[in-house]
Amino acid sequence: DTGVSQDPRHKITKRGQNVTFRCDPISEHNRLYWYRQTLGQGPEFLTYFQNEAQLEKSRLLSDRFSAERPKGSFSTLEIQRTEQGDSAMYLCASSLIAGGTDTQYFGPGTRLTVL
Amino acid sequence: DAKTTQPPSMDCAEGRAANLPCNHSTISGNEYVYWYRQIHSQGPQYIIHGLKNNETNEMASLIITEDRKSSTLILPHATLRDTAVYYCIAYAGNNRKLIWGLGTSLAVNP
Repeated sequence: DTGVSQDPRHKITKRGQNVTFRCDPISEHNRLYWYRQTLGQGPEFLTYFQNEAQLEKSRLLSDRFSAERPKGSFSTLEIQRTEQGDSAMYLCASSLIAGGTDTQYFGPGTRLTVL
Repeated sequence: DAKTTQPPSMDCAEGRAANLPCNHSTISGNEYVYWYRQIHSQGPQYIIHGLKNNETNEMASLIITEDRKSSTLILPHATLRDTAVYYCIAYAGNNRKLIWGLGTSLAVNP
């Protein structure tokens, strides 16, 4: 399968612990996005990379959150000192800008539960 | 970013066409209409997108009105596996992010 992959699929952690999620985009895609989705809501944008440059961050992304895409390929999203409010599905998407738009393809998500 | 409005829920009989409407009256000239769906606990799945013309692929058809203020996603022969939340989004690549509403929860009934 050559789609977007995310690891782990599920993560349970205790409040105050740090967690890191990984996203592997479709290989030729130059854009990578992170979204967060809570129950009953649509996904909310967190941040976006074009190649290795992080070009935009949402105000939702507090200073406890950090994302990297060191070589313009895979990306990691780290949450430090997790809080119960961080419990959500974290979604990664990738795209290739071509013409007037880029179609984002999503991975299966990482479901985080903070106890 | 243009705001889209969709009915919160719809029902469809298996084997019949499902027609999902979307209003996007403030869409900009460079924004495409995108449709995604999300089956419970999975990542969103891209379905189709269009700018002005009607589009068709192996999953669905997209009908966009001439004034581009609304569109309809058509699943020609709905199956139980099409039960999902369907999202309509107005998006241009320079926006850099998809703005999601609450979507339409489609239930396909046997």
